[in-house]
Amino acid sequence: TQLLEQSPQFLSIQEGENLTVYCNSSSVFSSLQWYRQEPGEGPVLLVTVVTGGEVKKLKRLTFQFGDARKDSSLHITAAQPGDTGLYLCAVGSSNTGKLIFGQGTTLQVKP
Amino acid sequence: EAGVTQFPSHSVIEKGQTVTLRCDPISGHDNLYWYRRVMGKEIKFLLHFVKESKQDESGMPNNRFLAERTGGTYSTLKVQPAELEDSGVYFCASSHPPRRWKAFFGQGTRLTVV
Repeated sequence: TQLLEQSPQFLSIQEGENLTVYCNSSSVFSSLQWYRQEPGEGPVLLVTVVTGGEVKKLKRLTFQFGDARKDSSLHITAAQPGDTGLYLCAVGSSNTGKLIFGQGTTLQVKP
Repeated sequence: EAGVTQFPSHSVIEKGQTVTLRCDPISGHDNLYWYRRVMGKEIKFLLHFVKESKQDESGMPNNRFLAERTGGTYSTLKVQPAELEDSGVYFCASSHPPRRWKAFFGQGTRLTVV
């Protein structure tokens, strides 16, 4: 049983479409992170959400932490081919920095 | 500032051979982590160094894996002898207190055991 369940696992859309990916758990977390990984590279931290109900925006990306701090979503508006990649959610220990990852959502945006 | 560097990028070895992966963290980062992603699975924690000391090695699969961090700088992860199920991408990450949670990842080493 995985601590973090991400959905969908794969998503292929046309340029200009909107999409949402989800990261769910039955556990409560003090914070949650979203990463993006491109082929041949390591994960790169996009955002950390801390407060229940928190919404953070990064250009066309909107991240939300659930009110109960058990889940999170990432919404991309008007997706572009450059958004193609693997999106990972993760939770970590603030004391040690150890991270637990979800399986990831592979996004392909076609021109 | 240089990022986290891993070497080699790819390694193909035969079952039973030995492979050593290297990670150079960002200079001054006390925390160094090793993670692994096997095909179809999530990225999983292997171990954590604080400077030269192993803080947590609960994720190491078995005693065929040996990690070291000489002088609190670079780290090596040796697999001896390698088995087929060791294939995957090995990531190294580093961070520095107080923002331990803000980890910077290397590009990974893709290990294939045939």
